[in-house]
Amino acid sequence: DTEVTQTPKHLVMGMTNKKSLKCEQHMGHRAMYWYKQKAKKPPELMFVYSYEKLSINESVPSRFSPECPNSSLLNLHLHALQPEDSALYLCASSLPLGSGRGGGILPGEQFFGPGTRLTVL
Amino acid sequence: GQQLNQSPQSMFIQEGEDVSMNCTSSSIFNTWLWYKQDPGEGPVLLIALYKAGELTSNGRLTAQFGITRKDSFLNISASIPSDVGIYFCAGQPLTGTASKLTFGTGTRLQVTL
Repeated sequence: DTEVTQTPKHLVMGMTNKKSLKCEQHMGHRAMYWYKQKAKKPPELMFVYSYEKLSINESVPSRFSPECPNSSLLNLHLHALQPEDSALYLCASSLPLGSGRGGGILPGEQFFGPGTRLTVL
Repeated sequence: GQQLNQSPQSMFIQEGEDVSMNCTSSSIFNTWLWYKQDPGEGPVLLIALYKAGELTSNGRLTAQFGITRKDSFLNISASIPSDVGIYFCAGQPLTGTASKLTFGTGTRLQVTL
């Protein structure tokens, strides 16, 4: 099973709302990622969690707050977003680099979820 | 952030034709990954390359890891309509325990019947 699930599929929110995006994987991956993708552009890395600890924050504004409650779950809390934050938000997971093969998957190979299409009004 | 140069940017091809696209970087990478993304969906991993010079196939797809470690190529043979989508290359350095991918700018493939 190489499935990463994300909820919700679509989200519309106002600039004063607070919402959360959720991501889940059951592949035993201990590295999880949040990406933001604008139309016709490649994904842009936002955050990386390794063994449930935040290891990379790509200078993301504080209105985006990640959380990794356990090794299977990754959340992205949203507050006071701007219309320009409208985008497809992708979650991904991988085996950590330096770990052995997991069910034929090599470390570092990132598997993406279907994304959440976020619209900020 | 940094992006890899990917070409062509887009291409129209006839069904049945072979397709080639490539990705170049000014930096050395230890891993190259190729993804396909359909509209409104997440990228799907097609092929992963781990050794310079490596040639790997996945069905009608063949990818190569350049000898210089600064480029990679993807070929699709006998294209079919479901090959339509955006193809992204991604380079990966070995840093820490979590991989940080640098994505190419994407190649949009459109197939005409």
